[in-house]
Amino acid sequence: AQSVTQPDIHITVSEGASLELRCNYSYGATPYLFWYVQSPGQGLQLLLKYFSGDTLVQGIKGFEAEFKRSQSSFNLRKPSVHWSDAAEYFCAVGSNSGYALNFGKGTSLLVTP
Amino acid sequence: NAGVTQTPKFRVLKTGQSMTLLCAQDMNHEYMYWYRQDPGMGLRLIHYSVGEGTTAKGEVPDGYNVSRLKKQNFLLGLESAAPSQTSVYFCASSYYSGASQPQHFGDGTRLSIL
Repeated sequence: AQSVTQPDIHITVSEGASLELRCNYSYGATPYLFWYVQSPGQGLQLLLKYFSGDTLVQGIKGFEAEFKRSQSSFNLRKPSVHWSDAAEYFCAVGSNSGYALNFGKGTSLLVTP
Repeated sequence: NAGVTQTPKFRVLKTGQSMTLLCAQDMNHEYMYWYRQDPGMGLRLIHYSVGEGTTAKGEVPDGYNVSRLKKQNFLLGLESAAPSQTSVYFCASSYYSGASQPQHFGDGTRLSIL
């Protein structure tokens, strides 16, 4: 069965600095990979997804992620963080033989002035 | 565009009480899901449905029941609430299987069991 690990529970970055959130997956075949963001008191919003093809995917709000099969990783990046990016970020993995996603435990992002 | 709507948004129950959480989607999605979110645990799948009239167990189904009598609605029931069921509950839907398609989430129901 597929699974996801987000090694960092909390990350703090300064506004304007670059950001990288780590995600490692476990799955035998090519996975379907997603990043979601959850603002306080809100549901989850899809940032980007990877199904196949180009390993660098662009998402909303200036985020991008890179699929690296050799490292079983799908890290989320943003060149310059804004205070409004403070939120909880979830990586998730799925497959074409399953019905639901497996979510990581999340990374909480704090942005300082 | 309502998307996925959950009611109620907040609720406090006493141990042993029952209640039903309602999820409604207006996107004509086939698949619907109920998750619970607890601190440090991420989202865990309770039950899901692959179409009207069908339901299936997820990762943590004990203590919950579900029904999908209409395509647009997915109900989550707690027959006898326990403090361990204090959580934030999220409903999600997707057009095809949510393992290969993005899921659309509601804003959650915050449930406290005293």
